[in-house]
Amino acid sequence: DAGVIQSPRHEVTEMGQEVTLRCKPISGHDYLFWYRQTMMRGLELLIYFNNNVPIDDSGMPEDRFSAKMPNASFSTLKIQPSEPRDSAVYFCASSKGALALFGPGTRLTVL
Amino acid sequence: TQLLEQSPQFLSIQEGENLTVYCNSSSVFSSLQWYRQEPGEGPVLLVTVVTGGEVKKLKRLTFQFGDARKDSSLHITAAQPGDTGLYLCARQTGANNLFFGTGTRLTVIP
Repeated sequence: DAGVIQSPRHEVTEMGQEVTLRCKPISGHDYLFWYRQTMMRGLELLIYFNNNVPIDDSGMPEDRFSAKMPNASFSTLKIQPSEPRDSAVYFCASSKGALALFGPGTRLTVL
Repeated sequence: TQLLEQSPQFLSIQEGENLTVYCNSSSVFSSLQWYRQEPGEGPVLLVTVVTGGEVKKLKRLTFQFGDARKDSSLHITAAQPGDTGLYLCARQTGANNLFFGTGTRLTVIP
């Protein structure tokens, strides 16, 4: 298995633009998580899904953030409109049981 | 709150030295995980500790879970440059989601 796949690995955009981050979880995993990591706040859980259904989105900072999981092999995290304070590394992780495996992350820079 | 405090926040040591990093909480947790994150990558699970007082060893790394299950430590013997990275402790909350500590950024100088 190639592990959790995220794309793009790097994204640079201008304030106000829409940004879409993508994640392919490990086949057979029933949980999918989106995290954001910054120096100031560390790793924060944004939202997670169980069997493609959003369970807890209380970590999503604002209405500008939305996430979907249309099927078991794909999820997106969208920011519209993006702002400079959204600059961070966004990680997707999937798990079955207690073992969560993380993707390599998407480094987002909003100018 | 579920705050997980890690100390020290930053640690820079010479190759061959020993070190200990800590993870503390005011709450009791049923289990705790330790992760290492290298630059440009996601966190990778090192170990899970479950029982109060439990000690687990992974080569030169020794993990201990406090008797009261409120704290944990990671001890590295004879640190090597390859140990450089961000060490994170995490607890599971609810159904499988992880709450991470603040992290200790370790640099081992050759």
